[in-house]
Amino acid sequence: QVQLVESGGGVVQPGRSLRLSCAASEFIFSNYGMHWVRQAPGKGLEWVAVIWYDGTNKYYGDSVKGRFTISRDNSKNTLYLQMNSLRAEDTAVYYCARDFRAAPEKAGGADLWGQGTMVSVSS
Amino acid sequence: QSVLTQPPSASGTPGQRVTISCSGSNSNIGSNTVNWYQQLPGKAPKLLIYSNNQRPSGVPDRFSGSKSGTSASLAISGLQSEDEADYYCAAWDDSLNGWVFGGGTKLTVL
Repeated sequence: QVQLVESGGGVVQPGRSLRLSCAASEFIFSNYGMHWVRQAPGKGLEWVAVIWYDGTNKYYGDSVKGRFTISRDNSKNTLYLQMNSLRAEDTAVYYCARDFRAAPEKAGGADLWGQGTMVSVSS
Repeated sequence: QSVLTQPPSASGTPGQRVTISCSGSNSNIGSNTVNWYQQLPGKAPKLLIYSNNQRPSGVPDRFSGSKSGTSASLAISGLQSEDEADYYCAAWDDSLNGWVFGGGTKLTVL
């Protein structure tokens, strides 16, 4: 069925790197913008990054700018989040989400979400 | 401190109408459309309202959204026990060049 499945989470030490993946199924992945959104334990949602349908434009939240990189491989129907220089405050459930717009700037909305993958940054 | 401001909690009894507010600024709500998300306990968020007042297919018409100036509101009429969840507003911010969420409102059905 139409779905997103995240993977790659785990426990990592501060300063190390981790790459998350999000596999899309049963829809034309290359037609949609894609987001990463995270939620720290017991906290609210925090938008992390967005990428245009064709990968040409990417935007990041201030807290991850310069450390995280969003990318996609439309031939593999997969979204990625490369996380470098991880900090304790990056500990969260990371959700990938599809935007109903191809280029979700100023308008759009995440209409399909994965189940999330947990990232814990701890020594 | 979230860019968009929501009350941390709201409550109502079954059948009542409740509203949840979302306050922003000219760079986000004042210039762009607002979305609302519902997050049931232990679940991923779900798009509830987009483009200020549009409901995705499958969302009951008990849920409605509105926007005026730099504020937005979510209204839930005929409150049901299954509406107990966290609700988040979101909008694009022209100054930050990215999406911003409200801090979330926990709705309790008494």
